[in-house]
Amino acid sequence: GQQVMQIPQYQHVQEGEDFTTYCNSSTTLSNIQWYKQRPGGHPVFLIQLVKSGEVKKQKRLTFQFGEAKKNSSLHITATQTTDVGTYFCAGVRGGSTLGRLYFGRGTQLTVWP
Amino acid sequence: GAGVSQSPSNKVTEKGKDVELRCDPISGHTALYWYRQSLGQGLEFLIYFQGNSAPDKSGLPSDRFSAERTGGSVSTLTIQRTQQEDSAVYLCASSLVAKGGDTQYFGPGTRLTVL
Repeated sequence: GQQVMQIPQYQHVQEGEDFTTYCNSSTTLSNIQWYKQRPGGHPVFLIQLVKSGEVKKQKRLTFQFGEAKKNSSLHITATQTTDVGTYFCAGVRGGSTLGRLYFGRGTQLTVWP
Repeated sequence: GAGVSQSPSNKVTEKGKDVELRCDPISGHTALYWYRQSLGQGLEFLIYFQGNSAPDKSGLPSDRFSAERTGGSVSTLTIQRTQQEDSAVYLCASSLVAKGGDTQYFGPGTRLTVL
């Protein structure tokens, strides 16, 4: 079954509006990664969060890892048309010796100019 | 090479034929993943190779699908007796060590169309 849940599946915003996608796991994650896939492209790594409560920023993007290490979010401030794409979270289950990454279904972001 | 490469980039085949998709990971990367992505959908995990350990095949959708990784480097995904529902983009990714905490680098994918 789905190990990592991600919502919403789709998000349409006007350029300049903010955007947030959420990722949830029923089990504790040892770390979580975020990827972006542009239309017609392949997923590209954005960032990794490891520590409980960690917050990282990349320009207009803010990534958070929950205190319980079961949820994460990506927030984009003042979206631009270049932000269009699908954003995936991916987590490794805590205590996993195999280290397999479980991807969420992704949030497809559309930005209207 | 500089990144993960996959071949062919596009493959059109007839229903019932076998196909082989190839992935060349980044040199030195010990972990290799195969995913399938249907149009507008998420990443469907297929198989995971981690160093010399037995692969995690739990994502393979049927026994028509198989994959191997020779010499810890190149991997081939084989689909036997292809069906129309197999049409998708098949993505390969590799990471430096067999730990999920390392960045996955994706190849450009192979777009498979089964007529």
